[in-house]
Amino acid sequence: TQLLEQSPQFLSIQEGENLTVYCNSSSVFSSLQWYRQEPGEGPVLLVTVVTGGEVKKLKRLTFQFGDARKDSSLHITAAQPGDTGLYLCAGEAGGFKTIFGAGTRLFVKA
Amino acid sequence: DVKVTQSSRYLVKRTGEKVFLECVQDMDHENMFWYRQDPGLGLRLIYFSYDVKMKEKGDIPEGYSVSREKKERFSLILESASTNQTSMYLCASRRGGEGLNEQFFGPGTRLTVL
Repeated sequence: TQLLEQSPQFLSIQEGENLTVYCNSSSVFSSLQWYRQEPGEGPVLLVTVVTGGEVKKLKRLTFQFGDARKDSSLHITAAQPGDTGLYLCAGEAGGFKTIFGAGTRLFVKA
Repeated sequence: DVKVTQSSRYLVKRTGEKVFLECVQDMDHENMFWYRQDPGLGLRLIYFSYDVKMKEKGDIPEGYSVSREKKERFSLILESASTNQTSMYLCASRRGGEGLNEQFFGPGTRLTVL
């Protein structure tokens, strides 16, 4: 069974701090996605990474896909209260299915 | 602006009731999904549909059924609601084809079964 484990489960930081969250698996994925879910809303896609070692930047967010395509990380520079939310990683599980990690809940205090 | 809508944001039902959750997408997507989201467990797939009238069981289909009579609409049915079905239910749609295409989610329905 393919699993995606995310860490930490919960993170509370001050505005302006940097942080990294992780998504790990023992399985190889052809691609991984990161979604952000704000309170009361459904998840929204941030990025898809498809190549081992790939780094993608989205303003203050940096996403990295591991060389072996088993793990990914999300780094946020100078976090802002607007970054508060649940960050989910997701991977293709074959067929039409996507599996999701349990998420990292981030709270950024002003 | 692409959109996935769900029929209710909040729903309270009694044990044993039949519950219908409706989802509509306006993107002409082939694939549609129903997930439930529980704290610490992430999103778990209940059922998905890869085309009209086609459905496949996900990881936790017990106690649920689905219907997809039209491309834009995917319904989740709880035949006889139980308290352990209290959860957040998320619908998503995605265009068909190979690869990990983006899923577009609705805002969710928070169901409480008393």
